[in-house]
Amino acid sequence: SYELTQPPSVSVSPGQTASITCSGDKLGTKYAWWYQQKAGQSPVMVIYQDTKRPSAIPERFSGSNSGNTATLTISGTQAMDEADYYCQVWERSTAVFGGGTKVTVL
Amino acid sequence: EVQLLESGGGLVQPGGSLRLSCAASGFTFSSYVLNWVRQAPGKGLEWVSVISETGGTTYYADSVKGRFTISRDNSKNTLYLQMNSLRADDTAVYYCAKESSGIRSFDYWGQGTLVTVSS
Repeated sequence: SYELTQPPSVSVSPGQTASITCSGDKLGTKYAWWYQQKAGQSPVMVIYQDTKRPSAIPERFSGSNSGNTATLTISGTQAMDEADYYCQVWERSTAVFGGGTKVTVL
Repeated sequence: EVQLLESGGGLVQPGGSLRLSCAASGFTFSSYVLNWVRQAPGKGLEWVSVISETGGTTYYADSVKGRFTISRDNSKNTLYLQMNSLRADDTAVYYCAKESSGIRSFDYWGQGTLVTVSS
């Protein structure tokens, strides 16, 4: 079965850039999605199809996907961005999530 | 406004059964693919199952295949998950999630319902 690997945690200072990676075999040949989940809340999509951002998501969120790695970048990170982030792909009509990355804004 | 409201969670013994429901509103229910996604306490997201707009096509995660059945009633705007032969590792919050048309994004999620499998 297909697997996605994320670092368990990322720490970032307010105003700095946070990069969250997601690794998988030939991931760049698939579309990647990213979801944000704040404590006690349901997930919210922040990036779809590698680089696209829903209209309600701030411009500081961006995505890329190439080779074996997809990356979610948060530029000018704010305290409100502290959350768990999950990458996801579709593999043979089934969805696969990465293990999640906890972003801490110090 | 799109709303997804799960219900039916609770405490069940190992080997038991439970049926979850997800009542939808704010969109044309029969036009969208729907999914169940679960999250064990303190753990990450795990996709469970998907059902097509008409209910004619379904897929399952290997971990639930043969034990869980997804279905929908388009006349009642309701999605279901029948869970049989429940195990302790099925303990989780279960979310229903709507897919955006043609893009396969989970664009709306419910608030989740907790299923606890324990004796």
